[in-house]
Amino acid sequence: GQNIDQPTEMTATEGAIVQINCTYQTSGFNGLFWYQQHAGEAPTFLSYNVLDGLEEKGRFSSFLSRSKGYSYLLLKELQMKDSASYLCAVTTRAGTALIFGKGTTLSVSS
Amino acid sequence: KAGVTQTPRYLIKTRGQQVTLSCSPISGHRSVSWYQQTPGQGLQFLFEYFSETQRNKGNFPGRFSGRQFSNSRSEMNVSTLELGDSALYLCASSGGTGGGGAQYFGPGTRLLVL
Repeated sequence: GQNIDQPTEMTATEGAIVQINCTYQTSGFNGLFWYQQHAGEAPTFLSYNVLDGLEEKGRFSSFLSRSKGYSYLLLKELQMKDSASYLCAVTTRAGTALIFGKGTTLSVSS
Repeated sequence: KAGVTQTPRYLIKTRGQQVTLSCSPISGHRSVSWYQQTPGQGLQFLFEYFSETQRNKGNFPGRFSGRQFSNSRSEMNVSTLELGDSALYLCASSGGTGGGGAQYFGPGTRLLVL
């Protein structure tokens, strides 16, 4: 079967750093994606990891360990607008069917 | 570049009816995927089209179908609607080699079945 796990909820304060973890068990692996989804809106693409290691893009970074079936999304210098759901998704082969986790709702307070 | 567009944005139907949703991908993208999002199940993959061919299919009943046209626009159809089909239907397009890479989502069609 295909299983992607991430925490349901997290809270943090403005200016802080938060790490959202994602573990996956899938039949095959081609790449891991992170999306951000604000309430009532469509998911927006944040990052894409294919190889092990850290990918940095501004305030957001994403890490992948294929041997451990593990990824994390690191958000630095948190802002109120970062309050959203963060979705981890995996593709199992060189197609484009994304398998999503249930998402982590992040609440940022002042 | 214009993003992914979906029409209609909102739809109300009654049980037993059918519905057709439309998606126009980002210009140049040949892969279009459809997803259903509900509070209980999250985002679930319906199917993917690439160059007018269905390339992948998720675990949904045959009432859910789709097609893609030569200009890469795609439609999905749901027949004999059930209450449980109420959801946000999202379309995503991808332009990587062979249609892989990042998928970019449209705003979605929110379907309510009464």
